[in-house]
Amino acid sequence: QAQLQQSGPGLVQPSQTLSLTCAISGDSVSSNGATWNWIRQSPSRGLEWLGRTYYKSNWYNDYAISVKSRITINPDPSKNQFSLQLNSVTPEDTAVYYCARLHIAMASFDSWGQGTLVTVSS
Amino acid sequence: QSVLTQPPSVSGAPGQRATISCTGSSSNIGAGYDVVWYQQIPGTAPKLLIYHNDNRPSGVPDRFSGSKSGTSASLAITGLQAEDEADYYCQSYDSSLSGYVFGTGTKVTVL
Repeated sequence: QAQLQQSGPGLVQPSQTLSLTCAISGDSVSSNGATWNWIRQSPSRGLEWLGRTYYKSNWYNDYAISVKSRITINPDPSKNQFSLQLNSVTPEDTAVYYCARLHIAMASFDSWGQGTLVTVSS
Repeated sequence: QSVLTQPPSVSGAPGQRATISCTGSSSNIGAGYDVVWYQQIPGTAPKLLIYHNDNRPSGVPDRFSGSKSGTSASLAITGLQAEDEADYYCQSYDSSLSGYVFGTGTKVTVL
């Protein structure tokens, strides 16, 4: 398993940008055997996959339809980490945010960050 | 918002069997995509329990088993133990949404 360590602010003002980082140890963000994902959890929306980044001779991203216009996930191979940016946040974006590794051979999220509660409020 | 439907709660006495259903549709489970199960202790991240419908990662007790049929899947816990009290979620991939989807979650209570 990989170890994932999340960092970032727990409070964001409405209309601003939510930014989180996930540092990876025990694997590489450039690995061909994994994709690197952001998932959030709230009482109203449950567990919701937000998007992923992965390397397959080139860098690729896929985003959930629900946030596609507002989200950016960037890999940083020099620091072996990846980040989440969610623009124009509203109170509906209040949730616990997780980074997670999807192990391609197992087709499942086998490693998770510790979670960050992000509250959108003024 | 969850695409996969689970019962809100399931309970059983220690030693008994508990079963959790996960109902999807023709764009996810019914399309042949794998079903995965996670266990979540409140306040912690989900933990992988079952992958590829019926496979256990190393370290997961064989009391946990998964199955899949048609547009549904099930997680069975045999010989319930107090430590099995947690929330359980199924997960698959949805071709209509082009993304991963999770179940609504089931709280297991050991009486």
